[in-house]
Amino acid sequence: GDSVTQMEGPVTLSEEAFLTINCTYTATGYPSLFWYVQYPGEGLQLLLKATKADDKGSNKGFEATYRKETTSFHLEKGSVQVSDSAVYFCALSAGFGNEKLTFGTGTRLTIIP
Amino acid sequence: KAGVTQTPRYLIKTRGQQVTLSCSPISGHRSVSWYQQTPGQGLQFLFEYFSETQRNKGNFPGRFSGRQFSNSRSEMNVSTLELGDSALYLCASSLGRDSGGATDTQYFGPGTRLTVL
Repeated sequence: GDSVTQMEGPVTLSEEAFLTINCTYTATGYPSLFWYVQYPGEGLQLLLKATKADDKGSNKGFEATYRKETTSFHLEKGSVQVSDSAVYFCALSAGFGNEKLTFGTGTRLTIIP
Repeated sequence: KAGVTQTPRYLIKTRGQQVTLSCSPISGHRSVSWYQQTPGQGLQFLFEYFSETQRNKGNFPGRFSGRQFSNSRSEMNVSTLELGDSALYLCASSLGRDSGGATDTQYFGPGTRLTVL
């Protein structure tokens, strides 16, 4: 079945550092890929998405490129801020009427001033 | 546009009881999905409803059930509660296009935190 493997955390970085959170997936067909973020005590917020190979999703300085050849969707940000501290989830969905999201285990990110 | 709302936000129940959680999707969204989030198992898909019909189902026992009303609002029920049912239950809504194509974005509510004592 479909699965998502996500970089283990927690990750601690200094403010303005470069961020990469690795995500690889296993799926049949052509899934859509997502990054969601969860702040303490809240639900999930969509950060960015990509629906086909070589698409780049971007939002709030975060970027991720759908790489079919390496089945990856790594999250990057050039300069992190304290407000980026949260848990980040990589997810996929098979599409074609199947709305089910399959999530990675989540990566807790802490940014220190 | 109002987001996904879930009620109640917090619940405390005892083993053996049953519970009903409610979810109101974003206006115009026809698909509602439910997820369970626990520290041990992470985020797991429970089921998805579209136009009042269960369209997809995860690997949960029959104690977990749901339904969707004609206004797209959804309820989830858990009967005979067990300690392991303690979790954050998240609801997500999407347009839920019923034709082929890339998945619509799902928008999540704040969740209902269920504690089973």
